[in-house]
Amino acid sequence: QVQLVQSGTEVKKPGASLKVSCKASGFTFSGYYMHWVRQAPGQGLEWMGWINPNSGGTNSAQKFQGRVTMTRDTSISTAYMELNSLRSDDTAVYYCARPRNAYDDNDAFDIWGQGTVVTVS
Amino acid sequence: DIVMTQSPDSLAVSLGERATINCKSSRSVLYTSNNKNYLAWYQQKPGQPPKLLISWASTREFGVPDRFSGSGSGTDFTLSISSLQAEDVAVYYCHQYYTTPSTFGQGTKVEI
Repeated sequence: QVQLVQSGTEVKKPGASLKVSCKASGFTFSGYYMHWVRQAPGQGLEWMGWINPNSGGTNSAQKFQGRVTMTRDTSISTAYMELNSLRSDDTAVYYCARPRNAYDDNDAFDIWGQGTVVTVS
Repeated sequence: DIVMTQSPDSLAVSLGERATINCKSSRSVLYTSNNKNYLAWYQQKPGQPPKLLISWASTREFGVPDRFSGSGSGTDFTLSISSLQAEDVAVYYCHQYYTTPSTFGQGTKVEI
């Protein structure tokens, strides 16, 4: 079935780097933008950016520019989100999310990963 | 950035009664060339990722019960649950995907 499976829980120290993976199955990975959304404890949803798995092109929220790198490995249908210079306020659940329609970066997200819990302390 | 503001922040409704959540965007999310509102609603239960309920402001996703409905256009939107069930206890988010950065409302907690 269509699903996104993310890597496991991470505990990091301030200043360290984080890399979260998101493995896709059940659909054509290169056809769908992959978005990253995070959620701090008890807080709402915050969009971080997307990667076009076909071209490798990326777009990220201004807040994260310079600190976030999104990549992909099409041979294993996996997207990655790397966040550098971690701070305590980066403590959050990080989700990858797929839009409903292929080749569309402006769409609602119908498939979500299970989330990766990240603690920076 | 488009700011999405939901009201109320929390809502307690009796079983079988109607729940109404409002969402206001700081700019219109109606794309006039296709007459579509780039607005979605999600349901999130504790420990789970969000679940897409409604896209294009009023199009229910496959498998979503018909007690959930979305309405509105431009800058003002509403999610209604016509007859609240116990399994509807959750936090609900609106989301604009009209422009980058994509933005979400702060969430509305629905309780019995």
